[in-house]
Parts: sequence; C-alpha cells; structure tokens
Amino acid sequence: AQSVAQPEDQVNVAEGNPLTVKCTYSVSGNPYLFWYVQYPNRGLQFLLKYITGDNLVKGSYGFEAEFNKSQTSFHLKKPSALVSDSALYFCAVSPPGDMRFGAGTRLTVKP
Amino acid sequence: DTGVSQNPRHKITKRGQNVTFRCDPISEHNRLYWYRQTLGQGPEFLTYFQNEAQLEKSRLLSDRFSAERPKGSFSTLEIQRTEQGDSAMYLCASSLGQVSPDTQYFGPGTRLTVL
Repeated sequence: AQSVAQPEDQVNVAEGNPLTVKCTYSVSGNPYLFWYVQYPNRGLQFLLKYITGDNLVKGSYGFEAEFNKSQTSFHLKKPSALVSDSALYFCAVSPPGDMRFGAGTRLTVKP
Repeated sequence: DTGVSQNPRHKITKRGQNVTFRCDPISEHNRLYWYRQTLGQGPEFLTYFQNEAQLEKSRLLSDRFSAERPKGSFSTLEIQRTEQGDSAMYLCASSLGQVSPDTQYFGPGTRLTVL
C-alpha cells in the first residue's frame, strides 16, 4: 500500500534560518510525491511534486524538496524561513486517483 | 477567481438531517476528487470522477454518502442521515486528468458540524 509519514507534528524555526519538514514514504514501484501547504480556513495549496528525474525539486514560494530513494524520504526545505511560511504542511503520495496524505506538520516561524 | 469553489463554506445541521455540498472545479479539468479532513489529520480520499464517471470510491464512503457529477462539470456530495462523526471539513479538488499522476488543486472546503 502507498503511504507517507510525517514524523514531526510541529517544527519551530526562527525567521531567516533554514527549515526542513520531513516526510518518508512507502510505495511499491515508482513514487509520485507531493507537498501541499494549508493556511487557516483555506484549502490546500500545491507547492511541488516529484515524478522522475532530478532529485532536487523546486517549487513555489522558494521551497524545494529532495527525493532520496535510499532513505525513502522527500523532505521539504527552504534556505531562509519567513514568518509568513507559518502554516500546516502535508506530504502526499499519489497513485492514480487516490492521493494519500500524511498527518501534517505545523510549521511555526518566529520573528 | 478561476480556482475550485465550494458551497456552502460552513454547514451546521442536526443529527439525522441530510446535507448536500457543491463543488465547481477549475474549468476544463476532467477529474474531480472529494476528500474529508478531520482536525489534526491529513485529508482522506473519498471518491473521484473522470468526467461524469465515478471511477473510485473509498471504503470510507458509506452507503449514506453519495456523489454525483452529472454533466462532467460541477459535483455534489450528499450525506444522508448525518451523524456526529460526519463532522469534518469536506474538500474538493480537480485536475486536468491528461497525465497520471497529475496535480490536484483544492477548493477552500466545506466545514460540516453535526449537532
């Protein structure tokens, strides 16, 4: 079965510092991996996805993610965090139709 | 705004009542998805449509739940005889459906509270 896990419920970073939000996956076959962000009272917004190719994927708002096959990980990163990055982040894996999400990681960036 | 829209944004109902939610996808998106999200959890897949055809349903979608997309455009999700456990955010998403997998774009959700 396809699944993802987000081992951290909460991540706190200071503004200007690099941030990492972790995700590990379990899939049979080639993984198709996504990151979404959710702001309060709003739907999920697409950040980036990995299908194949370069292991470093660049996305919206300066975010990037590194696909690591040997560690079955797809961590979300940003070199310099902003207070406005504070939100709920979801990793997801997608076979056709049935996208499966992790439980989410709440990122708090403090000034 | 040309994104996915959902109505109503909030619905409060009494246990046992029926409720219906509407989702309008991004124009020309062939696929439409429904998810349910409870507090502290990620969205859980319920069902999806390719045009008007309902292609997959989760086991979470009990007999009390029904979804339609009659003309391949907007979709409705109906919950009959609501229960308190149905209280959740119901999210709709759409995608082009031309490649697999493709990126899903989400609406703002409908928050259901069953009293």
